[in-house]
Amino acid sequence: DAGVIQSPRHEVTEMGQEVTLRCKPISGHNSLFWYRQTMMRGLELLIYFNNNVPIDDSGMPEDRFSAKMPNASFSTLKIQPSEPRDSAVYFCASSFRPGSTEAFFGQGTRLTVV
Amino acid sequence: KQEVTQIPAALSVPEGENLVLNCSFTDSAIYNLQWFRQDPGKGLTSLLLIQSSQREQTSGRLNASLDKSSGRSTLYIAASQPGDSATYLCAVINYGQNFVFGPGTRLSVLP
Repeated sequence: DAGVIQSPRHEVTEMGQEVTLRCKPISGHNSLFWYRQTMMRGLELLIYFNNNVPIDDSGMPEDRFSAKMPNASFSTLKIQPSEPRDSAVYFCASSFRPGSTEAFFGQGTRLTVV
Repeated sequence: KQEVTQIPAALSVPEGENLVLNCSFTDSAIYNLQWFRQDPGKGLTSLLLIQSSQREQTSGRLNASLDKSSGRSTLYIAASQPGDSATYLCAVINYGQNFVFGPGTRLSVLP
């Protein structure tokens, strides 16, 4: 298994532009999580899905952020319009192969908004 | 709301020492607890998962314990090595399958 795959690994964009981050979870996992990590706030849960359905999006900072999971093998996190304070590392994780809740993380997308 | 804290925030030890990292959580109604390691600029690597019915888990030089009633977990690292230098994070898994992370302990093992 290739693990959780995120793309791109790095993204530099100008303020006001739309940014789309992508995630492919581990096959067979039915929960998918999006986290944001900054030095100041650590790891923050943005949203998580169970069986492709958003369960808790209370961590999404504001309406500029949206996430979708159209099928069990793909999810996107979109920021529109982006702002410099969105600069962070965004992680995707998946879990819950039946019998285990161990979570596996992708390598993250480092987003810089200038 | 579940809150997770980790003590100490940073730790520097000479190679070969045994050490203990602490994790505390406010709501004992957890499903599981997981310890991760994060190297600078990298993602999180799972170290150990302790299910709520278990008291401890071991993997090589690592041993994690869980005391749900007191809201505590410890990660014990035996015979530390410079390659153990990283940030260690604990995460509690609530019954809704939501992970709540602690702020991490930054470990430096000096040769």
